[in-house]
Amino acid sequence: EDQVTQSPEALRLQEGESSSLNCSYTVSGLRGLFWYRQDPGKGPEFLFTLYSAGEEKEKERLKATLTKKESFLHITAPKPEDSATYLCAVQAPNFNKFYFGSGTKLNVKP
Amino acid sequence: SQTIHQWPATLVQPVGSPLSLECTVEGTSNPNLYWYRQAAGRGLQLLFYSVGIGQISSEVPQNLSASRPQDRQFILSSKKLLLSDSGFYLCAWSLTSGPTDTQYFGPGTRLTVL
Repeated sequence: EDQVTQSPEALRLQEGESSSLNCSYTVSGLRGLFWYRQDPGKGPEFLFTLYSAGEEKEKERLKATLTKKESFLHITAPKPEDSATYLCAVQAPNFNKFYFGSGTKLNVKP
Repeated sequence: SQTIHQWPATLVQPVGSPLSLECTVEGTSNPNLYWYRQAAGRGLQLLFYSVGIGQISSEVPQNLSASRPQDRQFILSSKKLLLSDSGFYLCAWSLTSGPTDTQYFGPGTRLTVL
């Protein structure tokens, strides 16, 4: 049973074309939701932690939001250097239970 | 600041050979430590986690094992590798306090079993 589902699997944008990535989850009693950026052949780089529904966090062109069932990563006016795979993960009430989505591969064309 | 190291960066091993991957963390004490495996096009799969020296919990039955001989050292091992052990292995750490356990990842080890 999938705990975390990310969509779309792949997204191609033109430079400056804003869009959103989705992360839906079925974990009950969420302790935290995490967004990471992963470049090819490298470890995931931490972006955001969200704790509760309604929370928002921003970093440069990225903004993450959280509801009771999903999270969005909004990318405003993306640049080619934003191209990467974006991973979402949730932490269940049992602290050792982390569930990762399979990621959204973002490609921003100049 | 905290830094996490993994080595080797890449490894090619024959089926049936042993494995030892090492992870070390600098700049923090008593971290939680994790081993993940990432298959191509798939999400990260948690293999082991540790809350302290000698304390290892396994999430997935397999021919892999983990050990934590020192506070900031985490080792992933196998006595005999299988083809299915190929993948990208990631070590991560998190603080032992706080409302959540934000994990910070190392650079990873690419393992190919032939």
